[in-house]
Amino acid sequence: QKEVEQNSGPLSVPEGAIASLNCTYSDRGSQSFFWYRQYSGKSPELIMFIYSNGDKEDGRFTAQLNKASQYVSLLIRDSQPSDSATYLCAVNGAMNRDDKIIFGKGTRLHILP
Amino acid sequence: DAGVIQSPRHEVTEMGQEVTLRCKPISGHDYLFWYRQTMMRGLELLIYFNNNVPIDDSGMPEDRFSAKMPNASFSTLKIQPSEPRDSAVYFCASNSQGTNQPQHFGDGTRLSIL
Repeated sequence: QKEVEQNSGPLSVPEGAIASLNCTYSDRGSQSFFWYRQYSGKSPELIMFIYSNGDKEDGRFTAQLNKASQYVSLLIRDSQPSDSATYLCAVNGAMNRDDKIIFGKGTRLHILP
Repeated sequence: DAGVIQSPRHEVTEMGQEVTLRCKPISGHDYLFWYRQTMMRGLELLIYFNNNVPIDDSGMPEDRFSAKMPNASFSTLKIQPSEPRDSAVYFCASNSQGTNQPQHFGDGTRLSIL
């Protein structure tokens, strides 16, 4: 049974600080990794995706992937109150295009003004 | 551009009734995904289609659930008969490249079975 684990939180971070969200996965063959943000009552929206080991930066967001340790992280710099949401980690084990994607249950992030 | 469109947004019905949820993917996307989200189980993939053909339905909880995609612009998820434990938010998503690429989600259908 493939699993994706996240700390449910809430994770409270002061405004302007760095928020660090972590995700571990069980399938060593996983190839694609996604971070989605979900505001309360809304649908998930893509924040970042990463396929290769190392860091990928996009504005205030950085995704970090370590396949050897089987974890993926999301860093949010200069946290804003609007970043308060649930962040979902998703992992796909595809060596080809069609493999099942598994979502973690999410980490609730609360940015303190 | 129009996003993924789901209807209805909210559905309240009594146990035993048939429920039909509808989804229109983004034009040009040939992958369509149905998800269910609950507090207990999180976001779960139920079934997905490629070019209107079901690829993996292993997430469908039981025979009461069925999904169809009669054409590239329309899909339905049906529950018959419905039970209170089916209460959840059901999302539809689409993309053009499969499960290893980002997906675009619809606004979801909040289903309550009384």
